[in-house]
Amino acid sequence: AQSVTQPDIHITVSEGASLELRCNYSYGATPYLFWYVQSPGQGLQLLLKYFSGDTLVQGIKGFEAEFKRSQSSFNLRKPSVHWSDAAEYFCAVGAGGGSNYKLTFGKGTLLTVNP
Amino acid sequence: EAQVTQNPRYLITVTGKKLTVTCSQNMNHEYMSWYRQDPGLGLRQIYYSMNVEATDKGDVPEGYKVSRKEKRNFPLILESPSPNQTSLYFCASSLSGVGVSEKLFFGSGTQLSVL
Repeated sequence: AQSVTQPDIHITVSEGASLELRCNYSYGATPYLFWYVQSPGQGLQLLLKYFSGDTLVQGIKGFEAEFKRSQSSFNLRKPSVHWSDAAEYFCAVGAGGGSNYKLTFGKGTLLTVNP
Repeated sequence: EAQVTQNPRYLITVTGKKLTVTCSQNMNHEYMSWYRQDPGLGLRQIYYSMNVEATDKGDVPEGYKVSRKEKRNFPLILESPSPNQTSLYFCASSLSGVGVSEKLFFGSGTQLSVL
């Protein structure tokens, strides 16, 4: 069974600073990897996803993530954080096929942005 | 507008009183799923459905039922709610969950309180 670990429960950064949110996964084969963002009182919105190919993927809102197989990681990055990026971020792994397809979420990282 | 609609948005009930949370999508998606979100635990999958009349258990199915009689609707039923089912619930859908890393579209959530 797959699993996802987001080691940081809460991160605080200053506006304009760079950001990296960590995500580690456990799965026997190459998984499908996702980052979702949840703003207060809202559902989740997909930021980016990785299936195969280029290990650096670009997403919406200026986010990118890099898949590192050797480290079983899929960290999310942004060069310069904006106040509107304050939200909770979830890493997820999709695995299996057919009726066994399953999507598992991490516990989330809450991002606070200081002015 | 493409969307996943959940109702109600907020619900307060008492232990043992059967309730249904509705979920409807207008995107002709095959895959639908229910998650519950609890502080510090992230999103956990309750049930999912690959297509009409095809449902399966997620990670935390106990105390819940679902049905998929029509493609667009995927109601979540709590036959005898208990306080430990107090949570924020999300319905989600995607075009196809058959081993493909489709983007999930989320509803706005239902905050359920069981007294």
